[in-house]
Amino acid sequence: EPEVTQTPSHQVTQMGQEVILRCVPISNHLYFYWYRQILGQKVEFLVSFYNNEISEKSEIFDDQFSVERPDGSNFTLKIRSTKLEDSAMYFCASREDSHGYTFGSGTRLTVV
Amino acid sequence: DQQVKQNSPSLSVQEGRISILNCDYTNSMFDYFLWYKKYPAEGPTFLISISSIKDKNEDGRFTVFLNKSAKHLSLHIVPSQPGDSAVYFCAAIRYNFNKFYFGSGTKLNVKP
Repeated sequence: EPEVTQTPSHQVTQMGQEVILRCVPISNHLYFYWYRQILGQKVEFLVSFYNNEISEKSEIFDDQFSVERPDGSNFTLKIRSTKLEDSAMYFCASREDSHGYTFGSGTRLTVV
Repeated sequence: DQQVKQNSPSLSVQEGRISILNCDYTNSMFDYFLWYKKYPAEGPTFLISISSIKDKNEDGRFTVFLNKSAKHLSLHIVPSQPGDSAVYFCAAIRYNFNKFYFGSGTKLNVKP
């Protein structure tokens, strides 16, 4: 069955550095999402993306975050200047119009 | 290959009755299983979990059952309430691995 692929599985970065988290959604899916889960806390919605633009974003998704679908297959989340509190598990998900979500297996981001 | 599957995309239950949500997995190395509940435009919220060394875990109206030989887990909600209407995801992880495996979700509708 098709999968949502996220790379890398674990990224360690220094505070203040930029990181790009990559996701390859399922090819015929139309809606794309980023979520994050800080250790021990709930999974938080960051942003949804449809038709090449952001359709919804949460308060967490401030100016240091951006998303792109640069080549029609990848869906990336960029954090411009990472902070310690950005350390979390980041999940990408995609879905077709009428079917359930497919989640990626996550990227663990550690900011040191 | 999808390692965690929720084969029922939707379930409709009368208020006060039992809701049973099912989840199957293929990887016998999974150590820990979680259920999440998700409302529209929000991230999944952790609901209940179970370690692979147990076969049952209960928290109020929610009980998770794990059948390791069948590689099957289920979430029971008793009694079901209209506020339980949401999408429910099961997820599995292996300790010391940075990967979550989510099912595709089951949309529960509890009718008043």
